[in-house]
Amino acid sequence: EAGVAQSPRYKIIEKRQSVAFWCNPISGHATLYWYQQILGQGPKLLIQFQNNGVVDDSQLPKDRFSAERLKGVDSTLKIQPAKLEDSAVYLCASSPGSVGETQYFGPGTRLLVL
Amino acid sequence: AQSVTQLGSHVSVSEGALVLLRCNYSSSVPPYLFWYVQYPNQGLQLLLKYTTGATLVKGINGFEAEFKKSETSFHLTKPSAHMSDAAEYFCAVTPSGGYQKVTFGTGTKLQVIP
Repeated sequence: EAGVAQSPRYKIIEKRQSVAFWCNPISGHATLYWYQQILGQGPKLLIQFQNNGVVDDSQLPKDRFSAERLKGVDSTLKIQPAKLEDSAVYLCASSPGSVGETQYFGPGTRLLVL
Repeated sequence: AQSVTQLGSHVSVSEGALVLLRCNYSSSVPPYLFWYVQYPNQGLQLLLKYTTGATLVKGINGFEAEFKKSETSFHLTKPSAHMSDAAEYFCAVTPSGGYQKVTFGTGTKLQVIP
């Protein structure tokens, strides 16, 4: 079974530029999560999708971050414009769907904003 | 709202020694509890989880954790550390019943000394 795929693995941009990350979850997983992991901290949930609907985006900075999951499969997270404090690892995870189920994480995208 | 506290951001043990990583949580309802491990430049991987039933939970790679409601703890242990256990470990909690996001602790980096 293929795992969660993410691309790119690394990205360096200058502040005020835009960037997009892509995630392809495990086949058949209804729930998809985007986390932000700043160095020295635990992952922080940015947005959670159930199929193609948003379940929780309470911690997504909506003035600059956006995410979509068209067709309920893969997903894109965008930052526009980027700030220095957005430097972090962006993790995508998926799960079959129910509360308490294991989340399966991708390798992450490491973003550096200069 | 739920929260997780991991005591000790860095723990060092000798190879063959007991591993003990501490996790305390707060939750207004019975929780689901998780331990994830993150190896360098990789995503998180589930070690073990508690949802219901037996409070002593066994996971992969010889790790286990015990849910102690009276102490609001879910400490992770392994009798004998191996060099390959060097990684960062995250405790996470989500309230049972209905949707609530998973909250991660800040992580404990385990160093194994030969």
